[in-house]
Amino acid sequence: KAGVTQTPRYLIKTRGQQVTLSCSPISGHRSVSWYQQTPGQGLQFLFEYFSETQRNKGNFPGRFSGRQFSNSRSEMNVSTLELGDSALYLCASSVKGVGEQYFGPGTRLTVT
Amino acid sequence: SQKIEQNSEALNIQEGKTATLTCNYTNYSPAYLQWYRQDPGRGPVFLLLIRENEKEKRKERLKVTFDTTLKQSLFHITASQPADSATYLCALEPPGGFKTIFGAGTRLFVKA
Repeated sequence: KAGVTQTPRYLIKTRGQQVTLSCSPISGHRSVSWYQQTPGQGLQFLFEYFSETQRNKGNFPGRFSGRQFSNSRSEMNVSTLELGDSALYLCASSVKGVGEQYFGPGTRLTVT
Repeated sequence: SQKIEQNSEALNIQEGKTATLTCNYTNYSPAYLQWYRQDPGRGPVFLLLIRENEKEKRKERLKVTFDTTLKQSLFHITASQPADSATYLCALEPPGGFKTIFGAGTRLFVKA
């Protein structure tokens, strides 16, 4: 069974731009969660989607948004990028959104 | 809000010894607690999940204990190997679900 895939793997953007990251979950997994990981803050929860519905979100500004499609693939968008948005963005999938999660390799975003 | 505390200092041990990592949490007791392993630049990998009514869980050389009275979980790696060197993350889900909170992780170094 193929694992969680994320594209792109690396991204360099300029302050003020916007970015869209993509995540394809494991086949059969309907829940996708997104996390931001930085050296100072660790792994921080962004939001979780299940069957195209956002069920929970973390404490991030409205510049961070996401969506899920009917095939469970998910995208997250960050608008008006700031230098502090530089991080590793990870997505994780699970069957129901509780319990063990399977993470993708992440997208390394650098904002200059 | 729920907080997870893991030893921020790196743990250095000799090959063949048992590594013991600690995870303490505040406030409520979660229905279950999870442990993940993360290697540099990669997504976390699920290792073990232990439920509140379970005192101990084992998987090969790994053992996890869960003490809801102390609000603590211990993660043991027996007969440690240099390949076990990584960051180990403790995670739990607050009430309301569909959101996972991760500890900052403990770096383990196993010397040959």
